[in-house]
Amino acid sequence: QKEVEQDPGPLSVPEGAIVSLNCTYSNSAFQYFMWYRQYSRKGPELLMYTYSSGNKEDGRFTAQVDKSSKYISLFIRDSQPSDSATYLCAMSRGLPSSASKIIFGSGTRLSIRP
Amino acid sequence: GAVVSQHPSRVICKSGTSVKIECRSLDFQATTMFWYRQFPKQSLMLMATSNEGSKATYEQGVEKDKFLINHASLTLSTLTVTSAHPEDSSFYICSARRVSGGRNEQFFGPGTRLTVL
Repeated sequence: QKEVEQDPGPLSVPEGAIVSLNCTYSNSAFQYFMWYRQYSRKGPELLMYTYSSGNKEDGRFTAQVDKSSKYISLFIRDSQPSDSATYLCAMSRGLPSSASKIIFGSGTRLSIRP
Repeated sequence: GAVVSQHPSRVICKSGTSVKIECRSLDFQATTMFWYRQFPKQSLMLMATSNEGSKATYEQGVEKDKFLINHASLTLSTLTVTSAHPEDSSFYICSARRVSGGRNEQFFGPGTRLTVL
């Protein structure tokens, strides 16, 4: 079983729709949760960063973490064609002073139709 | 956010040659950098962790003699693919760890596309 599971998609939605992207994980030691966006042939770009459970909102993006269910989500409101990319969830165990690895999901390819 | 650069962005080489890829953190110091490989439509696979001033830590299945890593300063790590073969063709991405203000983040470079003929 992979430590992090993510549906690879592709996911196609019309412009303006609300998008929900999800990951599940198996290791309860993860404490830091991230979402990255990767455009084709580019490096990943950090979108959201959350510590432990709860919600975090940044503009049209909302990240949710439910540690009891080992489930994280990223919501995109009022989706735009420019949001079309691959979205990677990622998580790590470590406290800021440690050098722990970040474990990535396989990524979900998202396409927003004009 | 922090900026990480990679050079070159694209390289094409003949089989058997060696290729060096540079990763630089431009506006912060990074004691730890990571090298990933990404095949088409797949996620990032961690190859090795590069530690400034010490030997790199390689993931299982990654040949350390084939993928040489040097982290000589707090802003530069290099990956050298030695005796490259067509199966080494891939997208190589580095990242640099920044630890500040209670946050532990990785910032990624734009990637280097390696094609071995």
